[in-house]
Formats: sequence, structure tokens, C-alpha cells
Amino acid sequence: NAGVMQNPRHLVRRRGQEARLRCSPMKGHSHVYWYRQLPEEGLKFMVYLQKENIIDESGMPKERFSAEFPKEGPSILRIQQVVRGDSAAYFCASSPQTGLNTEAFFGQGTRLTVV
Amino acid sequence: AQSVSQHNHHVILSEAASLELGCNYSYGGTVNLFWYVQYPGQHLQLLLKYFSGDPLVKGIKGFEAEFIKSKFSFNLRKPSVQWSDTAEYFCAVNFNNDYKLSFGAGTTVTVRA
Repeated sequence: NAGVMQNPRHLVRRRGQEARLRCSPMKGHSHVYWYRQLPEEGLKFMVYLQKENIIDESGMPKERFSAEFPKEGPSILRIQQVVRGDSAAYFCASSPQTGLNTEAFFGQGTRLTVV
Repeated sequence: AQSVSQHNHHVILSEAASLELGCNYSYGGTVNLFWYVQYPGQHLQLLLKYFSGDPLVKGIKGFEAEFIKSKFSFNLRKPSVQWSDTAEYFCAVNFNNDYKLSFGAGTTVTVRA
């Protein structure tokens, strides 16, 4: 059973370009979470999705950032018109359920560098 | 506000030394507690977790952690580290059975051979 797969591992974008980060959850997991780690900081929650639904996007910046988890295919975190401050490691996690005593499994992360 | 703090940003040790990494959180309600490790170039991996029961938790690779409710702490320990323990360690807390995890800033551990 493959773990959470994220790609690409490293992504370099020029300011103003779009960044698309992909996350395939573990088999059987229908809950996906995206976290961002800025330099020298811990991971911060961004968004929680179930298939075709955004459940909680309270950690997402209001502009330029969007996320989806379609019925088929991976979850996508999309950043439009990237700026240098978007440079960070973006981690995806998945779980089979949510709530009491639930463990989330993390991917390797995508390191975005904006030049 | 609910928060998680890790005491050390970078720890450097020699092989066979003992390791203790501090983690404190600010919340008086129900918590689930986790320690994750990230080896260079790899994914975040769960070392151990506490949901309920015995406050002394044994994890993988010889790690353990103790939940002290009165101190709001969940410190990670290993009696004798190896060079392969070089990694970044994150404490994470799930407050009140929420799905979100709140992470500490992480501690980079470097073990010298």
C-alpha cells in the first residue's frame, strides 16, 4: 500500500506564474489535508477536503490559493500569480476518517521556490 | 489561543548520548499528541502518538514520550542516539478531537558519529 504521494518534490516558479501541487492520498483514504511550512516555522494547516468538497479552508490565504479534490484523480493545491513569500514546503496528509483517535499520514512534501 | 512550542531549534549530540526534546502546548481540554520525524528527503513519519491511557508511550526506533497533563507537556526521549537519528522532529497536537493538527516549529537533531 503506497503512502501519500506528492509531486513534484521540487518546483521552481518565477513570480507571476502558477504553481500546481498534486497529492494522491493513501488507498482507501477520502480525507485530505494541506499544510504549509514556511522557513523556520512549524507546519500550518491550510485546507481540509473530502471527495469533491472543501470542508474547511480557514487556513488558506484569501487570494490566489485554491484547492480541489475531484471524484477522480489527485487533490490539487493551486497557487496563482506566485510571489516570493509563497516559497515554502507544502505537505499533504490523508486519513481514512476524521475525529477521535484519527491518525493522519503525510507525504514527502513539495518544496516550492519562487524566483 | 491554542499553540504548540518546542524548546530547542537545533540540538547537536554525539552517538550514544541521550536525547530529550521538549514540547508544550497551551490548552486545558482534550488533546491527542504526536511526534513526527522527517529524515532528509523523506516524508513525515509518525514516531509515536498518545490518545489516552498510559501516559508513557513507546514508539518506533527506541523513542518514547511522556504525557504530563499538569505540565501540558509531551517530551520525546531516546536513551542512546545513533547517527541515523539525524533528522527534524516535530511535535503536533490535535485539540479537542479536531481534524487539524497544530505543529511546533520543529527541532533539528544532528548526531555526530
